[in-house]
Amino acid sequence: GALVYQYPRRTICKSGTSMRMECQAVGFQATSVAWYRQSPQKTFELIALSTVNSAIKYEQNFTQEKFPISHPNLSFSSMTVLNAYLEDRGLYLCGASDWGEEQYFGPGTRLTVL
Amino acid sequence: QQQVRQSPQSLTVWEGETAILNCSYEDSTFNYFPWYQQFPGEGPALLISIRSVSDKKEDGRFTIFFNKREKKLSLHITDSQPGDSATYFCAASVTSGSWQLIFGSGTQLTVMP
Repeated sequence: GALVYQYPRRTICKSGTSMRMECQAVGFQATSVAWYRQSPQKTFELIALSTVNSAIKYEQNFTQEKFPISHPNLSFSSMTVLNAYLEDRGLYLCGASDWGEEQYFGPGTRLTVL
Repeated sequence: QQQVRQSPQSLTVWEGETAILNCSYEDSTFNYFPWYQQFPGEGPALLISIRSVSDKKEDGRFTIFFNKREKKLSLHITDSQPGDSATYFCAASVTSGSWQLIFGSGTQLTVMP
């Protein structure tokens, strides 16, 4: 079956520091990887969409300078939150899919900023 | 502007009853509608999905009814179980080589034993 793992599950960082989170797809090719942030109220914000062999597309209010993403192969992606502040806290979700098929999510990385 | 709306925000049913969760959308180009189930502390899990060429999709106790003309769909959970208690998200997308889902705000379902 299609599985998506995310590391770490939880992380705490000091305000102004950075942290990196990883996403790994198992059992299918992650040709597209979407990174979302889910608020405590459970609303989803799409941060960016990465498709193999295409430029990473960032949504409004999110930039590569703040959330650099790497998608080097068909099973792995990572995203870094640079200079994290209180408003960056939330559950970061990775959704992976294979060329327009179903999107599968990992368990998320919960970021707490002190 | 919310492109995908869900109602009710929360729903409580008794074990064995049918839970009905509603979803509507704005963009007529959306043609793929997955429903995700999310338990506390976990990521959303794909539950069932439908494409706009169909008006009904059934998988066990879960059924999606789709009305393209009215841009509405609903998820019916028959014989609800306490283990079905979770938040359910309706999402929508235009199928393409890349994948961007627009999520609704979710319905929190509680099934009382």
